[in-house]
Amino acid sequence: DTAVSQTPKYLVTQMGNDKSIKCEQNLGHDTMYWYKQDSKKFLKIMFSYNNKELIINETVPNRFSPKSPDKAHLNLHINSLELGDSAVYFCASSRIGEGQYFGPGTRLTVT
Amino acid sequence: DQQVKQNSPSLSVQEGRISILNCDYTNSMFDYFLWYKKYPAEGPTFLISISSIKDKNEDGRFTVFLNKSAKHLSLHIVPSQPGDSAVYFCAASFSGAGSYQLTFGKGTKLSVIP
Repeated sequence: DTAVSQTPKYLVTQMGNDKSIKCEQNLGHDTMYWYKQDSKKFLKIMFSYNNKELIINETVPNRFSPKSPDKAHLNLHINSLELGDSAVYFCASSRIGEGQYFGPGTRLTVT
Repeated sequence: DQQVKQNSPSLSVQEGRISILNCDYTNSMFDYFLWYKKYPAEGPTFLISISSIKDKNEDGRFTVFLNKSAKHLSLHIVPSQPGDSAVYFCAASFSGAGSYQLTFGKGTKLSVIP
């Protein structure tokens, strides 16, 4: 069984479009995260979310918004996509204070 | 400003020998440290962690050492196996963040030579 899953695995789209990446975890974790790995291979936190609060990395543009329909899902919505948004996006989940479990990643290419 | 640094982009080790991966951090507020392993086209996989109240944590072939005064941690893999070949990321967080957001290093690519 996949612990943390993301769809789609690959996403190619044009500048200006709006897209979403879905994430689901079946580990019963209470916190979920989105990370971005850029072309320099840095993994950077974008958001963390549990049922109490959303913590946003201040460097993330407001074109990016997480949406959590329930504890097992944290989807990432991106509006008005830009070339610089091209990256691999990883979803992760954890219990507070424990190691995070990552999804397989979504490679977003903006043309 | 990199708060977590892995200064060796790559490391090659013979099978059966010890692999030592190093990580330095600058933020003295960090109190929880983790190592992740990543294969190409996959997400990072959690390996081992250590809290700042300890200086060593061991799990099978993997041992993490923490030197708080030097703001340095290391991951030892003994004995190294070809399947250990991957990129290893050091990560850190502090409980004050509430959500334990991780700050990652840039990674070290380990190659274990059969």
